[in-house]
Amino acid sequence: DSGVTQTPKHLITATGQRVTLRCSPRSGDLSVYWYQQSLDQGLQFLIQYYNGEERAKGNILERFSAQQFPDLHSELNLSSLELGDSALYFCASSVGQNYGYTFGSGTRLTVV
Amino acid sequence: AQTVTQSQPEMSVQEAETVTLSCTYDTSENNYYLFWYKQPPSRQMILVIRQEAYKQQNATENRFSVNFQKAAKSFSLKISDSQLGDTAMYFCAFIHSGYALNFGKGTSLLVTP
Repeated sequence: DSGVTQTPKHLITATGQRVTLRCSPRSGDLSVYWYQQSLDQGLQFLIQYYNGEERAKGNILERFSAQQFPDLHSELNLSSLELGDSALYFCASSVGQNYGYTFGSGTRLTVV
Repeated sequence: AQTVTQSQPEMSVQEAETVTLSCTYDTSENNYYLFWYKQPPSRQMILVIRQEAYKQQNATENRFSVNFQKAAKSFSLKISDSQLGDTAMYFCAFIHSGYALNFGKGTSLLVTP
């Protein structure tokens, strides 16, 4: 157990739908990062939050949004889902980026 | 933009042997950090080893060590006494202040009996 908790582990949904992925960071970590891992794109950075505020944005689609709550848990919202959004979505947290990130076990999203 | 290149999509090694995975990166920064992550079939991302660019000494963690060549922008991972449990995808990653961790596309390592 890495200390970073992601739910759900698996999600199957239809095209056009909206889903919410949840992440609880490791205790004491203020930063949360979201990554998308698909077969042909590797690990792509989506977005970072630090203590409730958006800190950095990567290749995140406009259909996707995220937020970090006062208790530091974060949610990634994916809407108008397309088949190409099927991927493994990771959440990671860190106490300081120079020490590396601790990853959750990921949410496997399948869009059918 | 910083890029991380892993030129070996797949590698294979026999148990107890040594294998080296290659990684090169491109940056104009002087202070940064490099990492190797392991992703076994369980899909969990596990930090293997970390190197600070301002340190000339190569990092070592048990059977895992790196060869960090800053001028050549090279950061290879050596796995000694390979074990079946080392079978995994290995990702090289780079970070510097103000940016998120940037990953290479990975090298799939198979350890055979």
